[in-house]
Amino acid sequence: GAVVSQHPSWVICKSGTSVKIECRSLDFQATTMFWYRQFPKQSLMLMATSNEGSKATYEQGVEKDKFLINHASLTLSTLTVTSAHPEDSSFYICSARTAGLAGEGGTDTQYFGPGTRLTVL
Amino acid sequence: GNSVTQMEGPVTLSEEAFLTINCTYTATGYPSLFWYVQYPGEGLQLLLKATKADDKGSNKGFEATYRKETTSFHLEKGSVQVSDSAVYFCALYTGGFKTIFGAGTRLFVKA
Repeated sequence: GAVVSQHPSWVICKSGTSVKIECRSLDFQATTMFWYRQFPKQSLMLMATSNEGSKATYEQGVEKDKFLINHASLTLSTLTVTSAHPEDSSFYICSARTAGLAGEGGTDTQYFGPGTRLTVL
Repeated sequence: GNSVTQMEGPVTLSEEAFLTINCTYTATGYPSLFWYVQYPGEGLQLLLKATKADDKGSNKGFEATYRKETTSFHLEKGSVQVSDSAVYFCALYTGGFKTIFGAGTRLFVKA
């Protein structure tokens, strides 16, 4: 299967600072990447969908000025949490979609990064 | 609209017990169906998938069959291990932008 990496895996920051999280598809090109947020013991909440070279599409209720997404290349997307506050503390997971890889029957499949735990003090 | 419904957890089993986690879906068109697993503190890993009716996805002893007549994709494993303790997500994709995820089912396996 395809590999998606995220960096950092965890970060602690002070309230008011900005934090950047990187998401990379390591062995495939991803035209579409997704950013999710997950609260403890809950399912994934889609925050935004980003396509390489264009503006991200944000889900309803997600502040685009607070959660800046840049999909700079076919293998890299970044999420910047600006002026972070304690309520932004969460587990952030990125995902990349690829067209079916060899041996996978040609089905578009999403692969996920390992997640980044953000704690804002 | 498209949706996925999973059985509520947590599910608690003893080691070597049989596992079933129910998943049903509502979708227009012909979705691809997926099971993802999330171990504590980690992201989601693709466990298995099926792309058309009657397909069976399988991996690591887990199986799920795409049942169009009952719009279901139940996850099964014949003999669970403690290491299978995780959260399992059923999902569907119809070719649009979004993959639709179920709420997740937490599985605890006791030694």
